[in-house]
Amino acid sequence: QKEVEQDPGPLSVPEGAIVSLNCTYSNSAFQYFMWYRQYSRKGPELLMYTYSSGNKEDGRFTAQVDKSSKYISLFIRDSQPSDSATYLCAMSAFINDMRFGAGTRLTVKP
Amino acid sequence: DTEVTQTPKHLVMGMTNKKSLKCEQHMGHRAMYWYKQKAKKPPELMFVYSYEKLSINESVPSRFSPECPNSSLLNLHLHALQPEDSALYLCASSQGEGGTEAFFGQGTRLTVV
Repeated sequence: QKEVEQDPGPLSVPEGAIVSLNCTYSNSAFQYFMWYRQYSRKGPELLMYTYSSGNKEDGRFTAQVDKSSKYISLFIRDSQPSDSATYLCAMSAFINDMRFGAGTRLTVKP
Repeated sequence: DTEVTQTPKHLVMGMTNKKSLKCEQHMGHRAMYWYKQKAKKPPELMFVYSYEKLSINESVPSRFSPECPNSSLLNLHLHALQPEDSALYLCASSQGEGGTEAFFGQGTRLTVV
């Protein structure tokens, strides 16, 4: 079993839709959770950072962490074509050894 | 400013060449990382430097040699690489120990011929 599981998609939605992206994990020591957006041939861009369980909102993006279920989510409201990218979840325990999910490729169609 | 700068952006090298990748950040971060990313795969951790000391080496072949000359700079020296080492090499930095948010550079796209 991989430490971090993420459905690679691809996921295609119409413009304006709400997008839900998810990851599950097996290591109960993880307590720092990140979502990155990566455009083709570019470096990952940090979107959201959450410590432990709870919700965090930033503009059109909401990150949720449920440590009891070992499940994290990223919601994108009012999705735009510019949101088309690969979304990577990442998580770490006490030291800086981030583990990434496989990444979900998202396409938002105009 | 959350910028991590990597040079060069693209590199083509032969299997007998020696080259270096460079990474620089001026955010006062004390942890710096090298990741390798193959096409359509997530980044894989190679090395972590914390306070200029190598703290994690993920069993990377010795043809990759990291160096951290100071708290702002991170190098990756390459020697006798194989074609399967062709990938996007990403540098990242974070504030310090304890899983704080990490910021990535745009990467160096390496092709070994």
